[in-house]
Amino acid sequence: AQSVTQPDIHITVSEGASLELRCNYSYGATPYLFWYVQSPGQGLQLLLKYFSGDTLVQGIKGFEAEFKRSQSSFNLRKPSVHWSDAAEYFCAVGASRDDKIIFGKGTRLHILP
Amino acid sequence: KAGVTQTPRYLIKTRGQQVTLSCSPISGHRSVSWYQQTPGQGLQFLFEYFSETQRNKGNFPGRFSGRQFSNSRSEMNVSTLELGDSALYLCASSVDGGGYGYTFGSGTRLTVV
Repeated sequence: AQSVTQPDIHITVSEGASLELRCNYSYGATPYLFWYVQSPGQGLQLLLKYFSGDTLVQGIKGFEAEFKRSQSSFNLRKPSVHWSDAAEYFCAVGASRDDKIIFGKGTRLHILP
Repeated sequence: KAGVTQTPRYLIKTRGQQVTLSCSPISGHRSVSWYQQTPGQGLQFLFEYFSETQRNKGNFPGRFSGRQFSNSRSEMNVSTLELGDSALYLCASSVDGGGYGYTFGSGTRLTVV
């Protein structure tokens, strides 16, 4: 069964600094990978997804993620964070398009002014 | 177009009671998944319904059940409520499965007292 780990529970960065959130997955084949964001008091929103093709995926709000099979990772990056990026970020994995999607425990991002 | 609608937004129930939560997916979406979100366990997959059939199931006891109607609307039911069932219950809608990416509802906050 697939699983996903987000090693960092909290991350704090200064506004304007770059960001990288880590995600490691466990699955034998090429998984379906996702990043979702949950802002305070709001539902989860899909940032980006990967299942094949170019390993660097562009998403909404200026985010990107890179699939690295050799490291079983799918890290989320943003070159310059804004105060509005403060939220909880979830990495998720599935085995196929119609399989259940398993979420990591999340990383809460704090932004310093 | 309308998003994913979950009702009610808030519920307070007593231990031993049962509860029914409702989810109306985005028009044209045939897959509805349910998740339980708690601070300690994060997002845990309950089950997925596709074309009125349960296609995937998580590791929750039989007290948790669901169904999907011909118009894709879904309900989940929790019987014999326990204090530990207090959580945010999220409904996720997708075209044909989670691998396509979810659109989440705002959730139903259930408090068991």
